Amino acid sequence: GENVEQHPSTLSVQEGDSAVIKCTYSDSASNYFPWYKQELGKRPQLIIDIRSNVGEKKDQRIAVTLNKTAKHFSLHITETQPEDSAVYFCAASTNDYKLSFGAGTTVTVRA
Amino acid sequence: DVKVTQSSRYLVKRTGEKVFLECVQDMDHENMFWYRQDPGLGLRLIYFSYDVKMKEKGDIPEGYSVSREKKERFSLILESASTNQTSMYLCASSPQAGGRTDTQYFGPGTRLTVL
Repeated sequence: GENVEQHPSTLSVQEGDSAVIKCTYSDSASNYFPWYKQELGKRPQLIIDIRSNVGEKKDQRIAVTLNKTAKHFSLHITETQPEDSAVYFCAASTNDYKLSFGAGTTVTVRA
Repeated sequence: DVKVTQSSRYLVKRTGEKVFLECVQDMDHENMFWYRQDPGLGLRLIYFSYDVKMKEKGDIPEGYSVSREKKERFSLILESASTNQTSMYLCASSPQAGGRTDTQYFGPGTRLTVL
């Protein structure tokens, strides 16, 4: 089955700096790559996703890039703010409705 | 707005007890999922259902079973709870979106402690 690895496991950034989280996947048939954000005590929520026919997608301060050849994808958060502090999960999927999640990255934004 | 609800936020059970966790979604989604979330391990899929009365094992089905008698409701059953099943359990649902994997919407989670 699909194996998704996520790095780093923790990330501390100064407010206003950028944060980058990287994920690799094993199944070359994977074609859907969402990112979820889970604030403390809350449920995971989708923040951005990308399909394999696109190399990059942006939504305000967040962007995701996909390199299908290398089988890796990354989340970029620019101009970080305290409300960006959370656990972020990457995931990968083929067309089988299921998601394989990475282990998560705890992001802390220092004021 | 999609709503996924779970029957309990916190649950404490004894070893050997039968435990039922219930999940209800109100968006007419075909797919429903049960995950467990443990620190450093991410979200691991226990079971998945793509239609009423249909179920498929996920990555860690041992010690669990599921039931889906109605489209909106998906139950996770621990036949005989053990201490290693102490965890956060998350339910999710998603539409089938023309055969493509799509956004999953999560419930608030049930923190289960087995003593």
